[in-house]
Amino acid sequence: DQQVKQNSPSLSVQEGRISILNCDYTNSMFDYFLWYKKYPAEGPTFLISISSIKDKNEDGRFTVFLNKSAKHLSLHIVPSQPGDSAVYFCAATFNNAGNMLTFGGGTRLMVKP
Amino acid sequence: DVKVTQSSRYLVKRTGEKVFLECVQDMDHENMFWYRQDPGLGLRLIYFSYDVKMKEKGDIPEGYSVSREKKERFSLILESASTNQTSMYLCASRMGGPEEKLFFGSGTQLSVL
Repeated sequence: DQQVKQNSPSLSVQEGRISILNCDYTNSMFDYFLWYKKYPAEGPTFLISISSIKDKNEDGRFTVFLNKSAKHLSLHIVPSQPGDSAVYFCAATFNNAGNMLTFGGGTRLMVKP
Repeated sequence: DVKVTQSSRYLVKRTGEKVFLECVQDMDHENMFWYRQDPGLGLRLIYFSYDVKMKEKGDIPEGYSVSREKKERFSLILESASTNQTSMYLCASRMGGPEEKLFFGSGTQLSVL
């Protein structure tokens, strides 16, 4: 059973609009969450992270929101740009997980010019 | 700049063959990982290593083994390749604890016929 789920396999938005990518998790022990972005023919690259002691973390156009009671996090991209078109993976871990990161299935974002 | 290099971009092998996937990192990272990426399933951890000659099983170690004889090099071995091991394989490395971000290689697309 997947402990981290991204229920939308794909998302299409217009350039300049907001992109919202969602991620749900089931393991209440997770206390650190990350988003990675992957372009075709490249490895994933780190985008942004959030600790469970926060409910929001912002980095430029990217903001991650964490709702612990709902076990839900979301990534907001404002404004969306065509270069943001990629697959986005959310991932989660917890302090005693050692080196284990659990990834979601990914969401393919397409930003139309 | 940080670099994780995977020896092959594409590999085609036959069922039953022994397959070696090589990964080298130039960042003096302690931890190295092998993931496989499959559509809808995201990235799943096969094995990781936190030091030379040390290894730990991930979520899906069956059918795989690993070798880490030098700090910078981590090899994934398929002892007898099977068609269900056709996948994109991603190597990654990072320093220290779980809040340190992962650096990924570009991936090896393995096809087992």
